[in-house]
Amino acid sequence: DTGVSQDPRHKITKRGQNVTFRCDPISEHNRLYWYRQTLGQGPEFLTYFQNEAQLEKSRLLSDRFSAERPKGSFSTLEIQRTEQGDSAMYLCASSLAPDEQFFGPGTRLTVL
Amino acid sequence: AQSVTQLDSHVSVSEGTPVLLRCNYSSSYSPSLFWYVQHPNKGLQLLLKYTSAATLVKGINGFEAEFKKSETSFHLTKPSAHMSDAAEYFCVVRYYSGGGADGLTFGKGTHLIIQP
Repeated sequence: DTGVSQDPRHKITKRGQNVTFRCDPISEHNRLYWYRQTLGQGPEFLTYFQNEAQLEKSRLLSDRFSAERPKGSFSTLEIQRTEQGDSAMYLCASSLAPDEQFFGPGTRLTVL
Repeated sequence: AQSVTQLDSHVSVSEGTPVLLRCNYSSSYSPSLFWYVQHPNKGLQLLLKYTSAATLVKGINGFEAEFKKSETSFHLTKPSAHMSDAAEYFCVVRYYSGGGADGLTFGKGTHLIIQP
């Protein structure tokens, strides 16, 4: 399968713990995006990379969140000191051109 | 600022009847508009996109949408619903920022229910 993959698919953690998610984009896609989707809502844009450069961060991305894309390939999203409000589905997407983003299956985070 | 409003949170139709999912957008620029579908436990899939070419856009699985600038609408239609169409549908606008990013702004979604 050559689609976008995300790991893990599910994560349960206790409040205050740190978590890290990984996204592997479609190979050769230079653009990578992170979104967050809460229950009953559409996905919300978090951040965007072009190659290894993080070009934009949403105001939703508090200072407890950090994302990296070393070497312009896979990306990680880390949440420090998790809160119950962080519980959501975290989606990754990649694209070669702006007009079509391909989404991964998501990582569902539950903070107890 | 760009935004999208999906006018119905739920739509229920009978199998074999037409589907209409309504979407209005707000954009300061000529927008790029998309419809994505999300089946349970599956990733978002692009149905179709409008990027300032033909105003009637054909997508996968028999879906199409018409861009109407005067009405700021981008409604999704299908002539005959199939049971496999049951899913969540998102109307989406792409925005541009000074930093060159092109994140997507999603509507809240319309849950399509197909009655046998």
